[in-house]
Amino acid sequence: GEDVEQSLFLSVREGDSSVINCTYTDSSSTYLYWYKQEPGAGLQLLTYIFSNMDMKQDQRLTVLLNKKDKHLSLRIADTQTGDSAIYFCAEGAGRRALTFGSGTRLQVQP
Amino acid sequence: SQTIHQWPATLVQPVGSPLSLECTVEGTSNPNLYWYRQAAGRGLQLLFYSVGIGQISSEVPQNLSASRPQDRQFILSSKKLLLSDSGFYLCAWDRGRTEAFFGQGTRLTVV
Repeated sequence: GEDVEQSLFLSVREGDSSVINCTYTDSSSTYLYWYKQEPGAGLQLLTYIFSNMDMKQDQRLTVLLNKKDKHLSLRIADTQTGDSAIYFCAEGAGRRALTFGSGTRLQVQP
Repeated sequence: SQTIHQWPATLVQPVGSPLSLECTVEGTSNPNLYWYRQAAGRGLQLLFYSVGIGQISSEVPQNLSASRPQDRQFILSSKKLLLSDSGFYLCAWDRGRTEAFFGQGTRLTVV
């Protein structure tokens, strides 16, 4: 079956860059996603990338995809305290439900 | 625009009591609907998904059930809650291609 793995915790200082990594196993994945969950709230889509792309940039966010190694990363430039949250990597293929990683808790220290 | 409503936001229920969580979607038709559970400090676990009225797929054996009585209504139920049913329950929808949209979640505490 499909599997998505992430490290559980990342701590950075305000103003530094954050890099959150994710690996997945399903080679048929069509879309790969990054969601953000703030405390006590639902998930908010940050960005997604098609599997035929290797990079996508959106303001402070940069997504890198290495399809050969099935590795996805999210880089947040100039990390702010408001970026503190849990970040979920997810993968999907067509009408199958998304498979989520366990989430990476990002702590931004002032 | 599309919106998803999920209620209640928080719920405290005794062991053995019934459960009914409701989720409704507005602004779209024939969505795929999902119930996820997020246990404390854990990732998201898919519980049920539905591709149409009356069509429910269960991902994990458990004490819970789901129903879809209308196109944009998805209900999560239990006849008798267990302590292990405590968690954060999220409803979501998509149209099968790109992003999924999530409700704000229900924090269930079984005491």
